[in-house]
Amino acid sequence: AQSVTQLDSQVPVFEEAPVELRCNYSSSVSVYLFWYVQYPNQGLQLLLKYLSGSTLVKGINGFEAEFNKSQTSFHLRKPSVHISDTAEYFCAVSDPVEYGNKLVFGAGTILRVKS
Amino acid sequence: DAGVIQSPRHEVTEMGQEVTLRCKPISGHDYLFWYRQTMMRGLELLIYFNNNVPIDDSGMPEDRFSAKMPNASFSTLKIQPSEPRDSAVYFCAVTKQGAYNEQFFGPGTRLTVL
Repeated sequence: AQSVTQLDSQVPVFEEAPVELRCNYSSSVSVYLFWYVQYPNQGLQLLLKYLSGSTLVKGINGFEAEFNKSQTSFHLRKPSVHISDTAEYFCAVSDPVEYGNKLVFGAGTILRVKS
Repeated sequence: DAGVIQSPRHEVTEMGQEVTLRCKPISGHDYLFWYRQTMMRGLELLIYFNNNVPIDDSGMPEDRFSAKMPNASFSTLKIQPSEPRDSAVYFCAVTKQGAYNEQFFGPGTRLTVL
């Protein structure tokens, strides 16, 4: 069964420091990968996605992620965070062969940016 | 397009009452999903529809929960009778064929059952 593991439940970081939020998924032949962000009292908003092609994908708000097939990872990075990046981040996997039209979500990582 | 619209945004009710949550999807998106989010259990998929037809309701917790999609513009999630443990944020999300399952979420309904 497809699973998504977000290795850190919370990541505290100081403003302007770099950050990496980790995501690993169970292996499958062909998957599509997403990162969503949820700000307090809001719905989930797409940050970026990997469908095919270049393994480095860039998203909104200066975030990027790298798809690593051999490591089955899709880690999210930002070189310099802002207070406004404080939110919960969800990694999600689409595996059409096994799960049809459903997304499998990780448990989420809370990013806390401190001044 | 205004995106996915959910109503009400907040609902407070007493145990035993019927609760109806509403979702208006984005036009042209033929898949609609209902999720529940709690601190303890995270984000859970309850049910999803394709072209107004329920495809997978295996996540619906019990018979007190029901969902309908009478047309492409409207879906409801009903809880009858409600219980305190149903307190959560309920999200509606949509996608469309050929979109690699990229989902667009509504703002959610925060339900509190006293």
